[in-house]
Amino acid sequence: QSALTQPASVSGFPGQSITISCTGTSSDIGNHNLVSWYQQHPGKAPKLLIFEVTDRPFAIPSRFSGSKSGTTASLTISGLQADDEADYFCSSFSPPHNVVFGGGTRVTVL
Amino acid sequence: EVQLLESGGGWVQPGGSLRLSCAASGFSFRDYAMYWVRQAPGKGLEFVSAITNYGATPHYRDSVNGRFTISRDDSKNTVSLQMSGLREEDTAVYYCVKDGNTLTGFYFDNWGQGTLVSVSS
Repeated sequence: QSALTQPASVSGFPGQSITISCTGTSSDIGNHNLVSWYQQHPGKAPKLLIFEVTDRPFAIPSRFSGSKSGTTASLTISGLQADDEADYFCSSFSPPHNVVFGGGTRVTVL
Repeated sequence: EVQLLESGGGWVQPGGSLRLSCAASGFSFRDYAMYWVRQAPGKGLEFVSAITNYGATPHYRDSVNGRFTISRDDSKNTVSLQMSGLREEDTAVYYCVKDGNTLTGFYFDNWGQGTLVSVSS
């Protein structure tokens, strides 16, 4: 049950695009399209942004998008806004019936 | 509106026990797997336990297996986590979380507000 690997921090200016990577193994990300992403503001519960690699819940704006290549998943935030400053976590199904999370990435809007 | 309301957190000495409960509303509870996810102070998220829908099969992370027991009562729309043999490393905010898919999608579309468990002497 090793954690997925994310960069500790990513930053960008308002309006720019940033990408957060999430690296796993052939057992989790590499073998399933069950990757999801969460946003967490300080003191708040996480909020689902992306599920099944690319899908967005109805209320999540299209500025947030997900992708996957091999054992690495990515979250891209386009048109960066001040309110996007938060912690972001990836997760993946990890057989036989577990979920593994990434260590989290702090996004700073400069 | 989906609501998940945790209770039962608090302070306990190492080796002690606590029982967390989560009252769910706003969705067909019996149709969804439910999870407990924790977050130690200043740290990341960590899967703790899951219980499937229908068959109610439990699953645990290795470090809590044998110490924690998850259960659900579909007649009362509640899921519980009985924790025993608590260790200082179990200190965290514990979130009750709902699966986003009735077929068990292993993603979490609704989270409770969390309940703090603090283990120390």
